[in-house]
Amino acid sequence: DIQMTQSPSSLSASVGDRVTITCRASQGISNYLAWFQQKPGKAPKSLIYGASSLQSGVPSKFSGSGSGTDFTLTISSLQPEDFATYYCQQYSTYPHTFGGGTKVEIK
Amino acid sequence: EVQLLESGGGLEQPGGSLRLSCAASGFIFSSYAMTWVRQVSGKGLEWVSVISASGDSTHYADSVTGRFTISRDNSKNILYLQMNSLRAEDTAVYYCAKSGRYGRIDYWGQGTLVTVSS
Repeated sequence: DIQMTQSPSSLSASVGDRVTITCRASQGISNYLAWFQQKPGKAPKSLIYGASSLQSGVPSKFSGSGSGTDFTLTISSLQPEDFATYYCQQYSTYPHTFGGGTKVEIK
Repeated sequence: EVQLLESGGGLEQPGGSLRLSCAASGFIFSSYAMTWVRQVSGKGLEWVSVISASGDSTHYADSVTGRFTISRDNSKNILYLQMNSLRAEDTAVYYCAKSGRYGRIDYWGQGTLVTVSS
């Protein structure tokens, strides 16, 4: 199975900060990488697919990049509604494994 | 608007069975693959299974292979997950998800809680 490693596992940031989360695959996955946001007690929400394509309705402050094994999710200016846990997922090969998550907390 | 509504969760004893359902609306159900993902309370997301649009192709996580079966009824727009030989470690919230090209998830249901305990 492909292992997905996210870093950091948690971070503290202030409103207005630029935040970057990293996801590394244990083998190359081309650009078959998605990012999800999950708030406490809620279902995940799709943010990005194809490593860099924004899901419909997702604000442009979210951006993704990378290919192969190394990927990043960037939030350009953190807002109160962005404090949540973020997950990456590869959909190159079954099983479609998730990263362990990155919890973004208020500093 | 895409809507996915899971049901069928509850308390079951170890070794027992449950069948989860996911009623879909707002899209052409028979044109899309569908996925089950689960989440243990306080933990991360775990991919469980996927079924192709027609239902003729399925894949499973190693942790559920041989015990869980994914299926769909395209005439009723319903996705199923039959869970047999349940274990305590199957306790989780189970989400169904609409899957686009290559099995990528684009929409999620709200989840149904499965608790396996004696």
